[in-house]
Amino acid sequence: GQSLEQPSEVTAVEGAIVQINCTYQTSGFYGLSWYQQHDGGAPTFLSYNALDGLEETGRFSSFLSRSDSYGYLLLQELQMKDSASYFCAVRGGSSASKIIFGSGTRLSIRP
Amino acid sequence: GAVVSQHPSWVICKSGTSVKIECRSLDFQATTMFWYRQFPKQSLMLMATSNEGSKATYEQGVEKDKFLINHASLTLSTLTVTSAHPEDSSFYICSARDGTGVGNQPQHFGDGTRLSIL
Repeated sequence: GQSLEQPSEVTAVEGAIVQINCTYQTSGFYGLSWYQQHDGGAPTFLSYNALDGLEETGRFSSFLSRSDSYGYLLLQELQMKDSASYFCAVRGGSSASKIIFGSGTRLSIRP
Repeated sequence: GAVVSQHPSWVICKSGTSVKIECRSLDFQATTMFWYRQFPKQSLMLMATSNEGSKATYEQGVEKDKFLINHASLTLSTLTVTSAHPEDSSFYICSARDGTGVGNQPQHFGDGTRLSIL
């Protein structure tokens, strides 16, 4: 089966940088994704890493180390609107199209 | 970009009622769609994989007779919660992926359906 671990809550200051870590266990790994979800809304896709290394998209970056079964999401120049839940998710198992989500990290931004 | 439409967005109904939720891919064909359930402050739990033209694949612990899934076309999947009870109250979200095979195409999520059973 698959399992993912990430911190339940993180608090940061507006304008700062925050890193959200994720470790995973899965059979048949095809990539690590990150999603953002605001209260009451649906998840929105942020990034995807299939290979080791850093992927940068604007203020958000995502890193993957397959040998360590570890990845992180880096958010820079934090804004109040970044307050949300962030989920790491793995595509794996017997079906590469199935995505399993981590428990989520609640990010709170303080002025 | 690719859009997934989910309807209705909010349902309140009496215990014992059956509720149908629709998930449509608006500008792409989706041979596979996914149904998730999310309780407050918890993660998305995959319930089942909806396969066009064949039976859905349910995750362990999900009652297939309780949660009926039909994927009648390449753009529509429906989830019917049969004889709903208060414990079925939750946020149900569908998703679909544009394209086939292993790649970096993201899953596109519907806006979710908030189901409240009285």
